[in-house]
Amino acid sequence: EAEVAQSPRYKITEKSQAVAFWCDPISGHATLYWYRQILGQGPELLVQFQDESVVDDSQLPKDRFSAERLKGVDSTLKIQPAELGDSAMYLCASSSGLNTEAFFGQGTRLTVV
Amino acid sequence: QKEVEQNSGPLSVPEGAIASLNCTYSDRVSQSFFWYRQYSGKSPELIMSIYSNGDKEDGRFTAQLNKASQYVSLLIRDSQPSDSATYLCAVNKYKLTFGKGTLLTVNP
Repeated sequence: EAEVAQSPRYKITEKSQAVAFWCDPISGHATLYWYRQILGQGPELLVQFQDESVVDDSQLPKDRFSAERLKGVDSTLKIQPAELGDSAMYLCASSSGLNTEAFFGQGTRLTVV
Repeated sequence: QKEVEQNSGPLSVPEGAIASLNCTYSDRVSQSFFWYRQYSGKSPELIMSIYSNGDKEDGRFTAQLNKASQYVSLLIRDSQPSDSATYLCAVNKYKLTFGKGTLLTVNP
């Protein structure tokens, strides 16, 4: 069964350090999403790609966060420098199109100490 | 007004009962609607999608959509303890926006 792959599953980093997350969507899925989920809240969209183009990054803190999907397949989300408030679950999802069903990876649990 | 709002919960029902979860959305031109289930510490899992007005049934789950009222709901019949989870409503108009979620507990 096709799955969205994410790594690492867990990451502990010190504040002010750099951290990166990787996502490989379901094969053929053009739309890729990065979400941040704080405990007790719903997922918050950070960035959405359509192929290699950013469709929406209005909620991405651009002073410290960056995302890329250079070849329109896998994607990397980076935080530099990490802050204590960045501790959360980072979720990647993909869908075949802009308004179709999205499927999530297992997520990366980030703890900033 | 929040883009997607869900009934605050938590919701507790006895085993075998019907659980009713509600969601309203603010953008009238939203095109697709989804319900996800999320167990504690896990990622969201898609359980229902609905694109047009009316009801859609899948096993014990029924999604209902009323675009005029900007309302979407999820009914879970014959609730089981394994249904205990947070249920997330998501609305898509070129970007997928989630509600805060409703925690459901099914008591044996």
